[in-house]
Amino acid sequence: AQSVTQLDSHVSVSEGTPVLLRCNYSSSYSPSLFWYVQHPNKGLQLLLKYTSAATLVKGINGFEAEFKKSETSFHLTKTSAHMSDAAEYFCVVTPNAGGTSYGKLTFGQGTILTVHP
Amino acid sequence: EAGVAQSPRYKIIEKRQSVAFWCNPISGHATLYWYQQILGQGPKLLIQFQNNGVVDDSQLPKDRFSAERLKGVDSTLKIQPAKLEDSAVYLCASSLAEIVRVGAGPWRLDGYTFGSGTRLTVV
Repeated sequence: AQSVTQLDSHVSVSEGTPVLLRCNYSSSYSPSLFWYVQHPNKGLQLLLKYTSAATLVKGINGFEAEFKKSETSFHLTKTSAHMSDAAEYFCVVTPNAGGTSYGKLTFGQGTILTVHP
Repeated sequence: EAGVAQSPRYKIIEKRQSVAFWCNPISGHATLYWYQQILGQGPKLLIQFQNNGVVDDSQLPKDRFSAERLKGVDSTLKIQPAKLEDSAVYLCASSLAEIVRVGAGPWRLDGYTFGSGTRLTVV
């Protein structure tokens, strides 16, 4: 079984300040983890993914995330927020092993990021 | 590379009516998924196909939802009859079928790509 908990439903920051979106996961298998972004009325876009290589993963638009197995966390960060970062962000887990769960993405509830001028 | 195509983009129907959604995955992607995203929630997997066979439909409400992928390429998702709680965005995704392993390392989901979705409103 696998699950994802995004600890904040809304995060509000000022432009130019750091962003932290928190995610904890649970998985019976060694997981792959993703962050997706969804802008209003747009499709889901992959920001970055962790697939058991380097634990610090760099993605697009200056975002990065660190896989911490001991804390079962995969928090998303950015050093300086931009107005265009305002969107909804989803943390996603899928098992690395085979079986019927393979390919099945389990999404968190989402975190809405608001960026103030 | 063309993305995952879905149609229609929007659909409004009355409850108890029927509706169908269409998805054309990325060329060469043998695995296709349908997700349901209710407003304020993350997407939830409804059904997963490998070529034209069903891999997982455990969360598909089979009394009213059906899906097919007859030739292993395009897919349709149907709701009959629709209920108010079916109002959601229906997302299609596709990925490469081959499970790529690096030595004894992890499985990889190469090319997992979502379409823009169909927004369904049931009134």
